[in-house]
Amino acid sequence: NAGVMQNPRHLVRRRGQEARLRCSPMKGHSHVYWYRQLPEEGLKFMVYLQKENIIDESGMPKERFSAEFPKEGPSILRIQQVVRGDSAAYFCASSPIKQGAASSSYNSPLHFGNGTRLTVT
Amino acid sequence: AQKVTQAQTEISVVEKEDVTLDCVYETRDTTYYLFWYKQPPSGELVFLIRRNSFDEQNEISGRYSWNFQKSTSSFNFTITASQVVDSAVYFCALSEATSNTGKLIFGQGTTLQVKP
Repeated sequence: NAGVMQNPRHLVRRRGQEARLRCSPMKGHSHVYWYRQLPEEGLKFMVYLQKENIIDESGMPKERFSAEFPKEGPSILRIQQVVRGDSAAYFCASSPIKQGAASSSYNSPLHFGNGTRLTVT
Repeated sequence: AQKVTQAQTEISVVEKEDVTLDCVYETRDTTYYLFWYKQPPSGELVFLIRRNSFDEQNEISGRYSWNFQKSTSSFNFTITASQVVDSAVYFCALSEATSNTGKLIFGQGTTLQVKP
């Protein structure tokens, strides 16, 4: 009964390189959320995806960042041409249902992965 | 606009003391969910509790208890007889039911240090 799996756990990139962060949701979960935690700050919502659809990307920077959740395989958060300010912990969460729905089960919290710590040098 | 405020940036206590972490939220929704997460030094996020806005009963789980007060828009978290292993950053979060996404709005977190 594996939880949300994120890899890599740590990622080091030089400025200008691309970073790819992967998230495999819990089995049976079709909703994925990405959050970013900058140093000494709380988590900020980035994007919400269902299989093959981006539902809400209001928290994504307009440039260089993209996310996908294909029919098969993990969700990918892609950061192109990374800059030092991208250094952060990136967390993925999954849910079997849309969180916050009035009919959602009381016992269905968002399950988070262990995060990917991106360091841009 | 929705917002979560954790006014206490850092708290330091001695083991066995009780400690309360404050959380105040703002929302226009009548249906919403409140969460607490723990982030130990290892960095992962550990789910602690989720409550919906219609359930104001206080909850106790071992040494943890939560006090939900709609009248003051607060959802405070108390650790009784704190232990060194409780040292972590604790986040309070809000999710609005009318949001089409269910995304979480997090507070800035409270760093709790429990000294032996």
